[in-house]
Amino acid sequence: LAKTTQPISMDSYEGQEVNITCSHNNIATNDYITWYQQFPSQGPRFIIQGYKTKVTNEVASLFIPADRKSSTLSLPRVSLSDTAVYYCLVGTMDTGRRALTFGSGTRLQVQP
Amino acid sequence: NAGVTQTPKFQVLKTGQSMTLQCAQDMNHNSMYWYRQDPGMGLRLIYYSASEGTTDKGEVPNGYNVSRLNKREFSLRLESAAPSQTSVYFCAGRGALGTDTQYFGPGTRLTVL
Repeated sequence: LAKTTQPISMDSYEGQEVNITCSHNNIATNDYITWYQQFPSQGPRFIIQGYKTKVTNEVASLFIPADRKSSTLSLPRVSLSDTAVYYCLVGTMDTGRRALTFGSGTRLQVQP
Repeated sequence: NAGVTQTPKFQVLKTGQSMTLQCAQDMNHNSMYWYRQDPGMGLRLIYYSASEGTTDKGEVPNGYNVSRLNKREFSLRLESAAPSQTSVYFCAGRGALGTDTQYFGPGTRLTVL
Protein backbone atom coordinates (compact mmCIF):
# COMPACT_ATOMS: atom_id res chain seq x y z
CA LEU A 1 0.00 0.00 0.00
CA ALA A 2 1.24 3.46 -0.89
CA LYS A 3 2.50 5.47 2.06
CA THR A 4 0.97 8.89 2.61
CA THR A 5 2.32 12.01 4.28
CA GLN A 6 0.11 14.76 5.69
CA PRO A 7 0.68 17.72 8.00
CA ILE A 8 0.15 16.79 11.62
CA SER A 9 -2.09 19.75 12.38
CA MET A 10 -3.69 22.87 10.89
CA ASP A 11 -5.54 25.84 12.34
CA SER A 12 -8.21 27.90 10.66
CA TYR A 13 -11.04 30.30 11.39
CA GLU A 14 -14.71 29.98 10.67
CA GLY A 15 -15.66 30.95 7.12
CA GLN A 16 -12.22 30.30 5.65
CA GLU A 17 -11.35 27.75 3.01
CA VAL A 18 -9.04 25.01 4.24
CA ASN A 19 -6.76 23.00 2.01
CA ILE A 20 -5.06 19.87 3.33
CA THR A 21 -2.41 18.36 1.11
CA CYS A 22 -1.35 14.73 1.14
CA SER A 23 1.68 13.36 -0.66
CA HIS A 24 1.73 9.81 -1.98
CA ASN A 25 4.81 9.47 -4.16
CA ASN A 26 4.47 5.70 -4.59
CA ILE A 27 0.87 5.66 -5.76
CA ALA A 28 0.17 2.81 -8.16
CA THR A 29 -1.77 2.95 -11.40
CA ASN A 30 -4.81 1.20 -9.89
CA ASP A 31 -4.86 3.24 -6.69
CA TYR A 32 -7.62 5.62 -5.71
CA ILE A 33 -7.31 8.43 -3.17
CA THR A 34 -9.83 8.56 -0.36
CA TRP A 35 -10.31 11.00 2.51
CA TYR A 36 -11.97 10.26 5.82
CA GLN A 37 -13.01 12.53 8.67
CA GLN A 38 -12.99 11.48 12.30
CA PHE A 39 -14.57 13.29 15.23
CA PRO A 40 -13.54 12.47 18.80
CA SER A 41 -15.08 9.25 20.09
CA GLN A 42 -16.46 8.33 16.67
CA GLY A 43 -15.41 6.10 13.82
CA PRO A 44 -13.99 7.63 10.63
CA ARG A 45 -16.49 8.85 8.09
CA PHE A 46 -16.00 8.82 4.31
CA ILE A 47 -15.70 12.30 2.79
CA ILE A 48 -14.58 12.01 -0.80
CA GLN A 49 -12.74 9.78 -3.24
CA GLY A 50 -11.04 10.37 -6.56
CA TYR A 51 -8.65 8.99 -9.15
CA LYS A 52 -7.50 12.05 -11.08
CA THR A 53 -8.28 15.75 -11.78
CA LYS A 54 -11.03 17.12 -9.59
CA VAL A 55 -13.93 15.64 -7.69
CA THR A 56 -16.55 17.67 -5.86
CA ASN A 57 -19.42 16.69 -3.63
CA GLU A 58 -21.64 18.50 -1.15
CA VAL A 59 -18.96 18.38 1.54
CA ALA A 60 -15.59 18.94 -0.12
CA SER A 61 -13.48 19.02 -3.26
CA LEU A 62 -10.52 16.85 -4.07
CA PHE A 63 -7.81 18.07 -6.41
CA ILE A 64 -5.40 15.57 -7.92
CA PRO A 65 -2.62 16.74 -10.28
CA ALA A 66 -1.70 14.86 -13.41
CA ASP A 67 1.20 12.96 -11.80
CA ARG A 68 -1.11 11.87 -8.91
CA LYS A 69 1.78 12.04 -6.44
CA SER A 70 -0.22 14.34 -4.19
CA SER A 71 -3.78 15.37 -3.56
CA THR A 72 -5.49 18.28 -1.84
CA LEU A 73 -8.68 18.12 0.15
CA SER A 74 -10.48 21.45 0.06
CA LEU A 75 -13.11 22.35 2.64
CA PRO A 76 -15.01 25.52 1.68
CA ARG A 77 -16.03 27.95 4.40
CA VAL A 78 -15.27 25.78 7.42
CA SER A 79 -17.28 25.97 10.59
CA LEU A 80 -16.52 24.94 14.16
CA SER A 81 -18.10 21.57 13.45
CA ASP A 82 -15.37 20.81 10.90
CA THR A 83 -12.86 20.48 13.74
CA ALA A 84 -11.73 16.88 13.34
CA VAL A 85 -8.90 14.64 12.19
CA TYR A 86 -8.68 14.11 8.43
CA TYR A 87 -7.06 11.00 6.95
CA CYS A 88 -5.76 10.57 3.43
CA LEU A 89 -5.62 6.98 2.19
CA VAL A 90 -4.40 5.47 -1.02
CA GLY A 91 -5.11 1.99 -2.26
CA THR A 92 -6.52 -0.16 -4.98
CA MET A 93 -10.14 -1.19 -5.09
CA ASP A 94 -9.77 -4.22 -7.30
CA THR A 95 -9.70 -6.84 -4.58
CA GLY A 96 -12.04 -7.55 -1.73
CA ARG A 97 -9.12 -8.56 0.45
CA ARG A 98 -7.74 -5.09 0.68
CA ALA A 99 -7.90 -3.12 3.88
CA LEU A 100 -7.22 0.52 4.57
CA THR A 101 -3.98 1.78 6.06
CA PHE A 102 -4.48 4.85 8.18
CA GLY A 103 -1.65 7.24 8.99
CA SER A 104 -1.81 9.69 11.88
CA GLY A 105 -3.96 12.12 9.93
CA THR A 106 -4.20 15.93 10.04
CA ARG A 107 -5.82 17.46 13.08
CA LEU A 108 -7.82 20.50 11.94
CA GLN A 109 -8.79 23.03 14.59
CA VAL A 110 -11.35 25.65 13.55
CA GLN A 111 -11.65 28.69 15.76
CA PRO A 112 -14.39 31.31 15.94
CA ASN B 1 -31.19 0.78 8.65
CA ALA B 2 -28.72 0.94 11.57
CA GLY B 3 -25.52 0.69 9.50
CA VAL B 4 -22.68 -0.81 11.53
CA THR B 5 -23.35 -1.45 15.21
CA GLN B 6 -20.96 -2.50 17.95
CA THR B 7 -21.46 -3.82 21.46
CA PRO B 8 -20.53 -3.03 24.11
CA LYS B 9 -19.71 0.69 23.97
CA PHE B 10 -17.46 0.52 27.02
CA GLN B 11 -15.75 -2.33 28.83
CA VAL B 12 -13.27 -2.66 31.66
CA LEU B 13 -11.38 -5.93 32.06
CA LYS B 14 -8.77 -7.25 34.41
CA THR B 15 -5.56 -8.69 33.01
CA GLY B 16 -6.16 -12.27 31.91
CA GLN B 17 -9.90 -11.99 31.45
CA SER B 18 -11.51 -12.79 28.13
CA MET B 19 -14.26 -11.10 26.20
CA THR B 20 -15.84 -10.86 22.78
CA LEU B 21 -16.60 -7.63 20.96
CA GLN B 22 -19.61 -7.89 18.71
CA CYS B 23 -20.13 -6.18 15.36
CA ALA B 24 -23.12 -6.38 13.04
CA GLN B 25 -24.01 -4.61 9.80
CA ASP B 26 -27.21 -4.39 7.83
CA MET B 27 -25.67 -2.84 4.72
CA ASN B 28 -25.06 -6.14 2.91
CA HIS B 29 -21.29 -5.67 3.07
CA ASN B 30 -19.13 -8.50 1.84
CA SER B 31 -15.98 -7.39 3.67
CA MET B 32 -15.69 -6.54 7.35
CA TYR B 33 -12.78 -5.26 9.40
CA TRP B 34 -11.59 -4.80 12.96
CA TYR B 35 -9.27 -1.88 13.81
CA ARG B 36 -7.81 -0.57 17.00
CA GLN B 37 -6.99 3.06 17.67
CA ASP B 38 -4.63 4.09 20.42
CA PRO B 39 -4.68 7.68 21.74
CA GLY B 40 -3.47 10.21 19.18
CA MET B 41 -2.83 7.54 16.59
CA GLY B 42 -4.40 6.38 13.38
CA LEU B 43 -6.25 3.11 13.05
CA ARG B 44 -4.40 -0.17 12.79
CA LEU B 45 -5.96 -3.23 11.23
CA ILE B 46 -6.29 -6.28 13.47
CA TYR B 47 -8.18 -8.77 11.31
CA TYR B 48 -10.46 -8.66 8.34
CA SER B 49 -12.90 -10.87 6.50
CA ALA B 50 -13.10 -10.42 2.75
CA SER B 51 -16.24 -12.53 2.55
CA GLU B 52 -18.37 -14.82 4.65
CA GLY B 53 -16.32 -17.82 5.75
CA THR B 54 -12.89 -16.21 5.34
CA THR B 55 -10.71 -14.30 7.75
CA ASP B 56 -7.19 -12.92 7.46
CA LYS B 57 -4.66 -11.28 9.74
CA GLY B 58 -4.01 -7.59 9.52
CA GLU B 59 -1.18 -5.50 10.90
CA VAL B 60 -1.56 -6.30 14.62
CA PRO B 61 -3.33 -9.68 15.08
CA ASN B 62 -1.47 -11.04 18.10
CA GLY B 63 -3.70 -11.60 21.12
CA TYR B 64 -6.92 -11.60 19.09
CA ASN B 65 -9.16 -14.03 17.29
CA VAL B 66 -12.12 -13.38 15.02
CA SER B 67 -15.21 -15.16 13.79
CA ARG B 68 -17.26 -14.27 10.73
CA LEU B 69 -20.45 -15.84 12.00
CA ASN B 70 -22.47 -14.97 8.91
CA LYS B 71 -22.55 -12.14 6.40
CA ARG B 72 -23.88 -9.70 8.97
CA GLU B 73 -21.73 -10.45 12.00
CA PHE B 74 -18.00 -10.29 12.69
CA SER B 75 -16.78 -10.74 16.25
CA LEU B 76 -13.40 -10.04 17.85
CA ARG B 77 -12.26 -12.09 20.84
CA LEU B 78 -9.58 -11.34 23.37
CA GLU B 79 -8.67 -14.65 25.00
CA SER B 80 -6.44 -13.26 27.75
CA ALA B 81 -6.59 -9.48 27.94
CA ALA B 82 -3.42 -7.47 28.56
CA PRO B 83 -3.00 -3.77 29.45
CA SER B 84 -1.43 -3.23 26.01
CA GLN B 85 -4.82 -4.00 24.51
CA THR B 86 -6.36 -0.94 26.11
CA SER B 87 -7.66 0.92 23.09
CA VAL B 88 -10.73 1.93 21.11
CA TYR B 89 -11.87 -0.82 18.76
CA PHE B 90 -13.70 -0.03 15.53
CA CYS B 91 -15.51 -2.41 13.26
CA ALA B 92 -16.09 -1.49 9.63
CA GLY B 93 -17.85 -2.89 6.62
CA ARG B 94 -17.01 -2.32 3.01
CA GLY B 95 -19.29 -2.27 0.02
CA ALA B 96 -19.06 -4.24 -3.15
CA LEU B 97 -15.87 -4.50 -5.16
CA GLY B 98 -15.20 -1.30 -7.00
CA THR B 99 -15.70 0.93 -4.01
CA ASP B 100 -13.15 1.83 -1.38
CA THR B 101 -15.67 3.22 1.05
CA GLN B 102 -15.66 1.69 4.48
CA TYR B 103 -18.43 2.38 6.96
CA PHE B 104 -17.40 2.40 10.58
CA GLY B 105 -19.23 1.55 13.75
CA PRO B 106 -19.25 3.83 16.81
CA GLY B 107 -16.41 1.98 18.52
CA THR B 108 -15.85 0.06 21.76
CA ARG B 109 -13.66 1.70 24.37
CA LEU B 110 -11.78 -1.06 26.20
CA THR B 111 -9.65 -0.63 29.31
CA VAL B 112 -7.57 -3.49 30.65
CA LEU B 113 -6.33 -3.04 34.20
